[in-house]
Amino acid sequence: DQQVKQNSPSLSVQEGRISILNCDYTNSMFDYFLWYKKYPAEGPTFLISISSIKDKNEDGRFTVFLNKSAKHLSLHIVPSQPGDSAVYFCAASFVSGAGSYQLTFGKGTKLSVIP
Amino acid sequence: GAGVSQSPSNKVTEKGKDVELRCDPISGHTALYWYRQSLGQGLEFLIYFQGNSAPDKSGLPSDRFSAERTGGSVSTLTIQRTQQEDSAVYLCASSLTSGRGRNTIYFGEGSWLTVV
Repeated sequence: DQQVKQNSPSLSVQEGRISILNCDYTNSMFDYFLWYKKYPAEGPTFLISISSIKDKNEDGRFTVFLNKSAKHLSLHIVPSQPGDSAVYFCAASFVSGAGSYQLTFGKGTKLSVIP
Repeated sequence: GAGVSQSPSNKVTEKGKDVELRCDPISGHTALYWYRQSLGQGLEFLIYFQGNSAPDKSGLPSDRFSAERTGGSVSTLTIQRTQQEDSAVYLCASSLTSGRGRNTIYFGEGSWLTVV
């Protein structure tokens, strides 16, 4: 049962245009949402996050939007650059019944920015 | 060290053998996580250590998997009697306190395990 879903395995965007990566979730207990970026042969690195009480968070070229009613979030990258080409993982956090913090990841979307 | 360190970076093992994967978290980070990523899959939670609390083992896929964390620092993930479906990259991460919300978790580069 996948609680965090990234339905697009890949996305290609022209340099300078906007990249929009989507993520859906099912667990209404999630209280923080995060995006991680992963280059080949490297571990994921944190990109941006948003609290469930917000609907938008912006950091430079990266903006995350959260629509709680739709259980949907998206990451916007504008303008897209070739160096943004990577796999992007959507993640959501909550505190489990055992009192433990967990971070649940989607399967990732591979973004290719074409020069 | 400056980041999360994992070893070995690559391991090829025969089916049925045991393997140990090591993780050295960032100094001072009390929370440590193990995830794995199989081909075409997302990051799958395995186990979580927080300070001296009992670990959350809810993600371990079978009793062939175990992990320990000695002295609140280095962690070892052990897979006994490896199977081909265990082939994956095993990622360790650490964070200050619980990592909740703005407390970012930092990943190592992973240990790539191939079971032949």
